[in-house]
Amino acid sequence: ETGVTQTPRHLVMGMTNKKSLKCEQHLGHNAMYWYKQSAKKPLELMFVYSLEERVENNSVPSRFSPECPNSSHLFLHLHTLQPEDSALYLCASSQGLQINTEAFFGQGTRLTVV
Amino acid sequence: SQQGEEDPQALSIQEGENATMNCSYKTSINNLQWYRQNSGRGLVHLILIRSNEREKHSGRLRVTLDTSKKSSSLLITASRAADTASYFCATGGQFYFGTGTSLTVIP
Repeated sequence: ETGVTQTPRHLVMGMTNKKSLKCEQHLGHNAMYWYKQSAKKPLELMFVYSLEERVENNSVPSRFSPECPNSSHLFLHLHTLQPEDSALYLCASSQGLQINTEAFFGQGTRLTVV
Repeated sequence: SQQGEEDPQALSIQEGENATMNCSYKTSINNLQWYRQNSGRGLVHLILIRSNEREKHSGRLRVTLDTSKKSSSLLITASRAADTASYFCATGGQFYFGTGTSLTVIP
């Protein structure tokens, strides 16, 4: 248990559905991250939040919409996804964006788009 | 690109042998970190080496860093079946990762 909890662990959704992924951390961190992990591809950094403000958006399609209501929670809202969006979505947190901190990861949400 | 790239992509060894994997990167760094991922799970931090360090140890792990070659290596000594996992290096203040090295340790 790393202190970062993601729900749900598994999600199957149709291309017309709307769903949300949730991430929660109780480590007192103030930076949170969303990653996408597809087979045979680098771990893709999608969004970065620091002090509840988005600081990076790496050209992610608008069908992925992040939300950070407070420093402990991070959401990823999904709508009209494509089958190629099926992947493991990982959330992480760290103590700010300081260069010598480590990232703590959740167990991930395995998303399947049908 | 800020991400590190791990090499080899896959490595299979017998239990008890040493495993070595490498990371190359392109930009200047302040530190480099290694993480481990068990299949389908989140990543777990293993070790951080700062740019002014050349070698660091943690248990059976040994990490080296050569900033002139922009490369790092992770050595796992006396490997165990439980070391079977993917290993990633991360550079940059916002944790950019590569594709990882998939290590299989055969009992």
